[in-house]
Amino acid sequence: NAGVTQTPKFQVLKTGQSMTLQCAQDMNHNSMYWYRQDPGMGLRLIYYSASEGTTDKGEVPNGYNVSRLNKREFSLRLESAAPSQTSVYFCASSGRDTNQPQHFGDGTRLSIL
Amino acid sequence: DQQVKQNSPSLSVQEGRISILNCDYTNSMFDYFLWYKKYPAEGPTFLISISSIKDKNEDGRFTVFLNKSAKHLSLHIVPSQPGDSAVYFCAASHQGAQKLVFGQGTRLTINP
Repeated sequence: NAGVTQTPKFQVLKTGQSMTLQCAQDMNHNSMYWYRQDPGMGLRLIYYSASEGTTDKGEVPNGYNVSRLNKREFSLRLESAAPSQTSVYFCASSGRDTNQPQHFGDGTRLSIL
Repeated sequence: DQQVKQNSPSLSVQEGRISILNCDYTNSMFDYFLWYKKYPAEGPTFLISISSIKDKNEDGRFTVFLNKSAKHLSLHIVPSQPGDSAVYFCAASHQGAQKLVFGQGTRLTINP
């Protein structure tokens, strides 16, 4: 049982390039999330999707777009990468019950030069 | 404005003793709190949670205490084991565990 799978694990981009981070879950969860983690800081919510077909902004959405492709997959796109977007990105998913904890993938480490 | 704060960046505890990790929050609307554990190069793993209608929740070696009047929660690990060495994040939310707000994390080191 893979849980939440993120691809790629590492990526280096140049400023201005575009990139899509992929996330898939096999737990039949309704809700999916994208976070970023910067040194010395906790995880901050970028976007989330409460159910297939819906997406909402989190705390730090600027510079990002998301697509809930189907129930399993939730992608995060950087249209024009900036050095400030250098971070570790985590995808998570959770079930229908609002008090169910989120399950996280192992992250994508993204560096923008 | 940091709504969830973990003021101790690191904590070192001897194996077998109690580890106490602390977390403070400012938003009185938060009603659900969680602790996550994170090893290097892995994603956070859920440990334990507590609803604001309770003041204590226990799961094996892990106990979370919530003091709503002080807006403070703590995680107790007893006895501490070497495998507990990790970064611990507290998180809070309003109306369920969906839009989580995380603290900065505390690095716990368990010494043999």
